[in-house]
Amino acid sequence: DAKTTQPPSMDCAEGRAANLPCNHSTISGNEYVYWYRQIHSQGPQYIIHGLKNNETNEMASLIITEDRKSSTLILPHATLRDTAVYYCIVRVAGGANSKLTFGKGITLSVRP
Amino acid sequence: KAGVTQTPRYLIKTRGQQVTLSCSPISGHRSVSWYQQTPGQGLQFLFEYFSETQRNKGNFPGRFSGRQFSNSRSEMNVSTLELGDSALYLCASSLGQFNRAEAFFGQGTRLTVV
Repeated sequence: DAKTTQPPSMDCAEGRAANLPCNHSTISGNEYVYWYRQIHSQGPQYIIHGLKNNETNEMASLIITEDRKSSTLILPHATLRDTAVYYCIVRVAGGANSKLTFGKGITLSVRP
Repeated sequence: KAGVTQTPRYLIKTRGQQVTLSCSPISGHRSVSWYQQTPGQGLQFLFEYFSETQRNKGNFPGRFSGRQFSNSRSEMNVSTLELGDSALYLCASSLGQFNRAEAFFGQGTRLTVV
């Protein structure tokens, strides 16, 4: 699985958009970008994933650059409950391997 | 529908003992993966089971083992516990089929070895 690089932390104001960057310059053509988050002392929560097109769901939007070497997770209106560690993971979807390789993630702090 | 259920939530064991943790996946999910989370090492993959067969294994000693039953429920076992095995053990379930690989995690079992 391709390695990802995320800054260690960032913060944003409540109600504003939170843009979380991720670099994955060695991504392969069949690898997807997944985002999970982990709120303190809970299990990780799936947020969104994509291959090359931008994706949006009820939780967030995922913007993948045209060369697929980086992506941005956007939380459009951050709330205090969005404070968590966010993990960007790159892997092949499905097949005979459901393993997720977690890095250190980025700690998002949403301030009032 | 019900999420991933892990039991027990908390456990305290003594060095040298063994422990069994249980995970019930989301109904219809056939893949169950186990992860260990510690402050120093972060989230690390232990192993994955699909249709009662282990199909992927992380870099952990043989003291860590698991199995999956025909109803997809899974157990993991740690024998001869060491202090360093204290961790949050997380179970994740997924459909396990192509293009539907998003995993859903349970709340975890917090194991403390004393």
